[in-house]
Amino acid sequence: KQEVTQIPAALSVPEGENLVLNCSFTDSAIYNLQWFRQDPGKGLTSLLLIQSSQREQTSGRLNASLDKSSGRSTLYIAASQPGDSATYLCAGGDAGGTSYGKLTFGQGTILTVHP
Amino acid sequence: KAGVTQTPRYLIKTRGQQVTLSCSPISGHRSVSWYQQTPGQGLQFLFEYFSETQRNKGNFPGRFSGRQFSNSRSEMNVSTLELGDSALYLCASSLAGVYGYTFGSGTRLTVV
Repeated sequence: KQEVTQIPAALSVPEGENLVLNCSFTDSAIYNLQWFRQDPGKGLTSLLLIQSSQREQTSGRLNASLDKSSGRSTLYIAASQPGDSATYLCAGGDAGGTSYGKLTFGQGTILTVHP
Repeated sequence: KAGVTQTPRYLIKTRGQQVTLSCSPISGHRSVSWYQQTPGQGLQFLFEYFSETQRNKGNFPGRFSGRQFSNSRSEMNVSTLELGDSALYLCASSLAGVYGYTFGSGTRLTVV
């Protein structure tokens, strides 16, 4: 059974800092890993999707890496801004079989960027 | 293009009642998944439908059910509501899991 853990649970940083959010998973047989952002009371916004055959993906100030052998993914945010304040969730997509449509989520990292 | 649309956005129901939530996926997406999000349990998978067939189901009681129509729109139903069913219910659609998932804004259900 896949389990996903995110560290830290909460993070508060001053504007402009570069930061790293960590995600670890127990079953390396994932076919992709997706990072999401959630604002309070809202749905999930997809940030980056990394396929199992890829090592990293980049979008603007965001860079996500995936290391299946160690069961880890990191989300790097460069030059953080107050608008980045949100909960960040990582989710593993398990390989086929009985896992259709199922993402296994971590508990999230609550990020606060203060001016 | 239009995203995933969930209706209604908010619902208040009384214990013992039943409720139906609706999800319209992105055009062309045939896979629709449902999740329950609570502060204590986080995001938990309910079930997934593809071409009107339930392919996967999470660990929820039989009071939680769903269906998918030929146009890929999906509904989930919760019968005999309990206070613990109060949550944000999210649906996600995908062309296929390997392409990732797009989520809707959710339906906030409050059971009183």
